[in-house]
Amino acid sequence: NAGVTQTPKFQVLKTGQSMTLQCAQDMNHEYMSWYRQDPGMGLRLIHYSVGAGITDQGEVPNGYNVSRSTTEDFPLRLLSAAPSQTSVYFCASSFQGWDGYTFGSGTRLTVV
Amino acid sequence: AQSVTQPDIHITVSEGASLELRCNYSYGATPYLFWYVQSPGQGLQLLLKYFSGDTLVQGIKGFEAEFKRSQSSFNLRKPSVHWSDAAEYFCAVGADSNYQLIWGAGTKLIIKP
Repeated sequence: NAGVTQTPKFQVLKTGQSMTLQCAQDMNHEYMSWYRQDPGMGLRLIHYSVGAGITDQGEVPNGYNVSRSTTEDFPLRLLSAAPSQTSVYFCASSFQGWDGYTFGSGTRLTVV
Repeated sequence: AQSVTQPDIHITVSEGASLELRCNYSYGATPYLFWYVQSPGQGLQLLLKYFSGDTLVQGIKGFEAEFKRSQSSFNLRKPSVHWSDAAEYFCAVGADSNYQLIWGAGTKLIIKP
């Protein structure tokens, strides 16, 4: 089925560990974004991309890296996990402009 | 700086009653406005969007929203809610040339039987 696929759905990390959250879409969307969702704070933009090879920082980029080597994939890397990065992470994509974003089902990350 | 305010953290409505969720934004020009819904444990789904033209916008699942420039508001309405409407609702503003959204904190809708 067409859409945005995020893996894993759940992850527990120890402080200091690194990992990559995967995001893939099969809709040929140019725009992709990573958000984190924390209670009472809505969604906060971490990084985004407007096309393959182009990425930029959002509101809360510290501690995260991204790359966009293909149109389909937009992985999010946690460099050295901290308890403050415990959150639910969403990847989203859009065809162009203000079409509206399609969201993945999220990754729930706990850092202990 | 652009911002979005959803004044109500929770709203409780009886099944069959009407619903209005409030959203206020701060932006100098006419923004692009969106409402999304998030069911428990799920991602977000686009309900409706406003770009220009008719200020009353129809969306999916029987929802509508009205853009009022004078009040900087974009409130979401539904004439009769169903138990399946229980979810969290997010208002978002698009005002960046890189097509990124600014989000409200969300309103959790609780339906009383």
